[in-house]
Amino acid sequence: LAKTTQPISMDSYEGQEVNITCSHNNIATNDYITWYQQFPSQGPRFIIQGYKTKVTNEVASLFIPADRKSSTLSLPRVSLSDTAVYYCLVGDLYMYSGGGADGLTFGKGTHLIIQP
Amino acid sequence: DAGVIQSPRHEVTEMGQEVTLRCKPISGHNSLFWYRQTMMRGLELLIYFNNNVPIDDSGMPEDRFSAKMPNASFSTLKIQPSEPRDSAVYFCASSQHSGGNTEAFFGQGTRLTVV
Repeated sequence: LAKTTQPISMDSYEGQEVNITCSHNNIATNDYITWYQQFPSQGPRFIIQGYKTKVTNEVASLFIPADRKSSTLSLPRVSLSDTAVYYCLVGDLYMYSGGGADGLTFGKGTHLIIQP
Repeated sequence: DAGVIQSPRHEVTEMGQEVTLRCKPISGHNSLFWYRQTMMRGLELLIYFNNNVPIDDSGMPEDRFSAKMPNASFSTLKIQPSEPRDSAVYFCASSQHSGGNTEAFFGQGTRLTVV
């Protein structure tokens, strides 16, 4: 079971770039890295997913170094509405081949607070 | 698509009563997941189904919990008898397993309070 470690909380200000790093030292060859966002009273929402190097979409970027033992979620120019809990998940996407549901096992997440 | 639909949104029941939570996954999705979220334990995966078949129920806390998926468009999570420590928000999620993408779509959750 690939475990993840994230900061419990982070603070930033509107307009800043925010980087949240997740450590996953025992990531396996078949494991992907996925980030979710959760607002209060809502279910988590998928942000981005990657395997190596860099992935970018309209919401965020995901940086994964060559050794894949960590990953960084980058949120450009945050706003107050980006205040939420961000979860890093690591696991084998092919869970039905006996790998279990690591890819959808949530840790404690990072509580990001954006201030004006 | 309306997304994953859960009902009820809120449920208050007395200890010892049976509670049934319902979920309608997104049409065409072949995987369904039940989670429980509390302040103390965070988001816990209880059980997941693939093509209506339970694949892993190792997260189900005890025999009082059971889940079924009689068809591709409906699933239930039942607690019998309920206890105050079962109070939590229960989420249902679905996904389409297709060669690598396991983006899961979550419902709004059911907030269960057992008194």
